Amino acid sequence: GQQLNQSPQSMFIQEGEDVSMNCTSSSIFNTWLWYKQDPGEGPVLLIALYKAGELTSNGRLTAQFGITRKDSFLNISASIPSDVGIYFCAGPSPNTGNQFYFGTGTSLTVIP
Amino acid sequence: NAGVMQNPRHLVRRRGQEARLRCSPMKGHSHVYWYRQLPEEGLKFMVYLQKENIIDESGMPKERFSAEFPKEGPSILRIQQVVRGDSAAYFCASAVSIVEEQYFGPGTRLTVT
Repeated sequence: GQQLNQSPQSMFIQEGEDVSMNCTSSSIFNTWLWYKQDPGEGPVLLIALYKAGELTSNGRLTAQFGITRKDSFLNISASIPSDVGIYFCAGPSPNTGNQFYFGTGTSLTVIP
Repeated sequence: NAGVMQNPRHLVRRRGQEARLRCSPMKGHSHVYWYRQLPEEGLKFMVYLQKENIIDESGMPKERFSAEFPKEGPSILRIQQVVRGDSAAYFCASAVSIVEEQYFGPGTRLTVT
């Protein structure tokens, strides 16, 4: 099946620092989604990207759809303790679009 | 507008019993997806349904697992004769259409003893 690799796998940062993470695929994707999952909860949609090169912001979050369509980036500025969680990239199957593939996740810990 | 609802939130079953997981999509959403998540792992697609139809069940084990999304009522994921390896968090998501974003429920945590 499709593999979406995220890096880094985990991050430990000080409150106030900026965060960058990325997601890469071996295949071209037409849509990239970024989700955050808190422990014991379902993923919450943060940002959706639909066009190569697109740069979209949601508050302190900014995500970009890579030009090659095989990667995407998520940045969080001025991190706060509630940013703690696991961040997943996801996208619909390039072939059928029926199933969404999820990345391996980036675990973020913010130290106050 | 209520979000995606799943129940129960926690379910404990003994080996060999049946587990029934329910998912009510967001209002206006006719596309439902089920995912399984093991601890420390990402979500793995299981099945995609539209009202009364299974569109793609390629991620669901061929035996013991079934899913439905009837004309009326919630979508149901059924696991028969559960085994310890079925212990996981099961999430459903709904969408307006196949190309739109998916919104997730809080999940059902299944524990098989």
